Amino acid sequence: DVKVTQSSRYLVKRTGEKVFLECVQDMDHENMFWYRQDPGLGLRLIYFSYDVKMKEKGDIPEGYSVSREKKERFSLILESASTNQTSMYLCASTYRGNQPQHFGDGTRLSIL
Amino acid sequence: QKEVEQNSGPLSVPEGAIASLNCTYSDRGSQSFFWYRQYSGKSPELIMFIYSNGDKEDGRFTAQLNKASQYVSLLIRDSQPSDSATYLCAATDTGGGNKLTFGTGTQLKVEL
Repeated sequence: DVKVTQSSRYLVKRTGEKVFLECVQDMDHENMFWYRQDPGLGLRLIYFSYDVKMKEKGDIPEGYSVSREKKERFSLILESASTNQTSMYLCASTYRGNQPQHFGDGTRLSIL
Repeated sequence: QKEVEQNSGPLSVPEGAIASLNCTYSDRGSQSFFWYRQYSGKSPELIMFIYSNGDKEDGRFTAQLNKASQYVSLLIRDSQPSDSATYLCAATDTGGGNKLTFGTGTQLKVEL
């Protein structure tokens, strides 16, 4: 079975802090994704990566950056956290082609 | 803007009945379609995927695809209370990179 592991289930940070969310997959998947999910808005793509050191902006990249130094790890960085970044963050990965995305358990992030 | 549309529900069905969940998509070039189940507070879990026109069955679940009508559906036979969840429909993005566009989900309630 595919295993996508997110570093924290719950996280509380303060406005202005730099926040790191980590995601690791164990299936040698090439593609990795970061989403946020908010009530009524569904899943929105923040960034994705199709190879080591490669990244592309999704639909809502503002205020975020990413890092992919190793194939199995994809990090999401909130450069200066703001209250409107309070959300559920979901990491997903997939092999190439039209294969399904597999999700981690999610991180519920609260910015105070 | 590529869209995947779902009725938000809630869709209420009695235990043992067939639940029918529907989805339309705007990107005529979408090739692959996925249904995810999401329990409250949890991450999405893959239920079915379908690539070709017609029906695909897996246990109590049947996915149906009609590319001419840009329509995808999920049928759940013999619905159980444990099927109560939000069901997300997703379609691949013709922009590539295995990106998916998600609908906002349909809430299903299976009543005793």
